Amino acid sequence: DVVMTQSPLSLPVTPGEPASISCRSSQSLLHSSGYNFLDWYLQKPGQSPQVLIYLGSNRASGVPDRFSGSGSGTDFTLKISRVEPDDVGVYYCMQALQTPITFGQGTRLDIK
Amino acid sequence: QVQLVESGGGVVQPGGSLRLACATSGFTFTAFGMHWVRQAPGKGLEWVAFIRYDGHDKFYADSVKGRFTISRDISNDTLFLQMDSLRPEDTAMYFCAKNRDFWTGFSINYWGQGTLVTVSS
Repeated sequence: DVVMTQSPLSLPVTPGEPASISCRSSQSLLHSSGYNFLDWYLQKPGQSPQVLIYLGSNRASGVPDRFSGSGSGTDFTLKISRVEPDDVGVYYCMQALQTPITFGQGTRLDIK
Repeated sequence: QVQLVESGGGVVQPGGSLRLACATSGFTFTAFGMHWVRQAPGKGLEWVAFIRYDGHDKFYADSVKGRFTISRDISNDTLFLQMDSLRPEDTAMYFCAKNRDFWTGFSINYWGQGTLVTVSS
């Protein structure tokens, strides 16, 4: 199974400041197509998860451009250029390359 | 717009069975794979099962293999999860989720609101 490891697990951020979350996989997520099969999701309090980034760096429809994804192979990063209060929640990375599909432990972002 | 509405959750005793349903709309059900993902209270996300767009291939997490069965009814655009031999550790919110497309592997682009399953005596 592909093990997904996120850091940090807790991320207090001042509004307007940037934030960064790391996700590492135990195996390369680079597909023969040239794309990395790595997604980022945000689960806001009391809600179901929502997709932010797919294929490592593609913003999903409706996601603000404050959010960006980067990385390749086994190392990936989600960046928020300027955190807003509505960004509070738990962020998960997920490998979409093979079953069993696996998620990172989650990173809880809250506002200082 | 895409809608996924789960139902069928509830309280069941250990060893019991439950059948979850996910009513879908807003997309061509027969063209996309579908997932079940669960979340134990206060815990992270755990993938449970996936069924391909045509229903011919099904994949399961080891933790549920042999006890859970994923299926789909194309006449009603509904996804199911039959859960047998339930254990206390199966207690979780169960989410139905739509696969993005064939070209992005098992990427998920829509999630339902979930249905809560509690396994307790």
